[in-house]
Amino acid sequence: EADIYQTPRYLVIGTGKKITLECSQTMGHDKMYWYQQDPGMELHLIHYSYGVNSTEKGDLSSESTVSRIRTEHFPLTLESARPSHTSQYLCASSDRGVQDQETQYFGPGTRLLVL
Amino acid sequence: KNQVEQSPQSLIILEGKNCTLQCNYTVSPFSNLRWYKQDTGRGPVSLTIMTFSENTKSNGRYTATLDADTKQSSLHITASQLSDSASYICVVSDRGSTLGRLYFGRGTQLTVWP
Repeated sequence: EADIYQTPRYLVIGTGKKITLECSQTMGHDKMYWYQQDPGMELHLIHYSYGVNSTEKGDLSSESTVSRIRTEHFPLTLESARPSHTSQYLCASSDRGVQDQETQYFGPGTRLLVL
Repeated sequence: KNQVEQSPQSLIILEGKNCTLQCNYTVSPFSNLRWYKQDTGRGPVSLTIMTFSENTKSNGRYTATLDADTKQSSLHITASQLSDSASYICVVSDRGSTLGRLYFGRGTQLTVWP
């Protein structure tokens, strides 16, 4: 069982609100990731981090931002939520294993609904 | 265009039966291929990982195969249980960057009926 946590699990919010999705892991992993997943669709990488003070944008353009001030914490923020942001957001982390054997451990996800 | 295609999109089987899920990919270069299980409302959990030199790997009732020449993989589930109901996702990694970019399939939604 992976020690990676996401809060809240479910969030319903109005358009224009600022939200922060929390992600924490207790495995000491350097690499962390945020994915967006719509029903029946593949996961899309929106942000990732190699370690403290490192953040990069992923393959899918996103209006969200992330920060990595502590190894274990990788929050995602939406300054002004819109209905198009409705989706499931998955956080993951991985260790510095040999690249061919690196495995990502996923959190339970946050289901976001913007009205 | 998604470089990882999975079939079937959904599958319903009776408890105790076997089934096989397919994954075709065009990702190149190739580093490894993983199968993940994602329960409804949860994050994916790794089942198996195979590198170029491996053509089969088992994890309990799950057996994955890989044919790197034809770029195909399959996940065989033996003696299915109700708890096997989930989405099974095929993920391929390339060697193009330090991050080792991952390409995700859309998953096969498996439902096991009693």
